[in-house]
Amino acid sequence: DAGVIQSPRHEVTEMGQEVTLRCKPISGHNSLFWYRQTMMRGLELLIYFNNNVPIDDSGMPEDRFSAKMPNASFSTLKIQPSEPRDSAVYFCASSLGAAEPQHFGDGTRLSIL
Amino acid sequence: RKEVEQDPGPFNVPEGATVAFNCTYSNSASQSFFWYRQDCRKEPKLLMSVYSSGNEDGRFTAQLNRASQYISLLIRDSKLSDSATYLCVVNKQAGTALIFGKGTTLSVSS
Repeated sequence: DAGVIQSPRHEVTEMGQEVTLRCKPISGHNSLFWYRQTMMRGLELLIYFNNNVPIDDSGMPEDRFSAKMPNASFSTLKIQPSEPRDSAVYFCASSLGAAEPQHFGDGTRLSIL
Repeated sequence: RKEVEQDPGPFNVPEGATVAFNCTYSNSASQSFFWYRQDCRKEPKLLMSVYSSGNEDGRFTAQLNRASQYISLLIRDSKLSDSATYLCVVNKQAGTALIFGKGTTLSVSS
């Protein structure tokens, strides 16, 4: 069975550019999560969806970040405009429910120059 | 008090050693508890769930102490391949999303 699929695996771009990260959750999973991981702050929950509806976006750093889940098999995380401090690994995870074990994608390594 | 707190380590142990990690959580309403493992430059992966009565999976034993609000992970007969960061994961209350600790780094040497 396919796991959580994220794209791109790596992204290097200049500050001010728009960045779009993509995620396909495991089929049948109702909950989808976006995380950011840095050495300093560890794994931070940015936002999560339940049945395609955003439930908690309190972790989204600021208005430059937005996330959508137009259907059960696709989600995007967008940063516009990007800044060097956004450089991190961004993970998408999905699960059968909010409190159930989560399965992570391989992550997107984002570098903003 | 942080929602989920772990000793970052690193724990440096020789092969064959027994090592234990503790993790404390702040919310007494927490219902779901897990240990995840993360290898360098990889995604976190579920190691095991933690049940109220304690549970074992091969060389790994997880325990929950609700009264003191901590969970533990015991690794017996450590292998080189156990070297990784171990993340303690708890939900704030029933039905809510999981919160990940910052992890404890284990390095097993020959």
